[in-house]
Amino acid sequence: AQKVTQAQTEISVVEKEDVTLDCVYETRDTTYYLFWYKQPPSGELVFLIRRNSFDEQNEISGRYSWNFQKSTSSFNFTITASQVVDSAVYFCALGEGNFNKFYFGSGTKLNVKP
Amino acid sequence: DVKVTQSSRYLVKRTGEKVFLECVQDMDHENMFWYRQDPGLGLRLIYFSYDVKMKEKGDIPEGYSVSREKKERFSLILESASTNQTSMYLCASSLRWDREYFGPGTRLTVT
Repeated sequence: AQKVTQAQTEISVVEKEDVTLDCVYETRDTTYYLFWYKQPPSGELVFLIRRNSFDEQNEISGRYSWNFQKSTSSFNFTITASQVVDSAVYFCALGEGNFNKFYFGSGTKLNVKP
Repeated sequence: DVKVTQSSRYLVKRTGEKVFLECVQDMDHENMFWYRQDPGLGLRLIYFSYDVKMKEKGDIPEGYSVSREKKERFSLILESASTNQTSMYLCASSLRWDREYFGPGTRLTVT
């Protein structure tokens, strides 16, 4: 079974639209970490956020916000007023275990059209 | 700034060749990882290492081996390259319970 599921393979929006990328995870650990990364066309993964399992507070950083809900095992990512530069593949990841093993979702490709 | 470097951005090898992919990090991280990335499959973990000379298999270790003789260096070895190993290979490092820092990736083509 997939540890991290990103059901949306590809999303297309028009600039200035809001868009939410879904992430559902599965773990039996009580201590774990969740991450979002961005992979622009250049290929290098860019870290966006880390959230630990004991902190369910939502976070906002500029146009980006994250909604962590343990009850539904979800860690969704919203981009407000999207821009063309937001076009990328976005990965959600789960970190668990003593040696910090990571599991990545299959990624969501976001296309923002002008 | 943490820097993770990989020996090559692009590599073309022939079937049956032995291939070495090198990864070096400069921040004294305990953990190092090798992933391969294929369209629609995301990042899949090949091997990881949590200390010098220690290694653990990831989800797809078949056809690969690794070496970690020094803390800063983690090598991925394809003993006999095959066409189904054509992929993007990403190296990463991390401190325990911290996020991963990724290298720029090596796009390997096996012909």
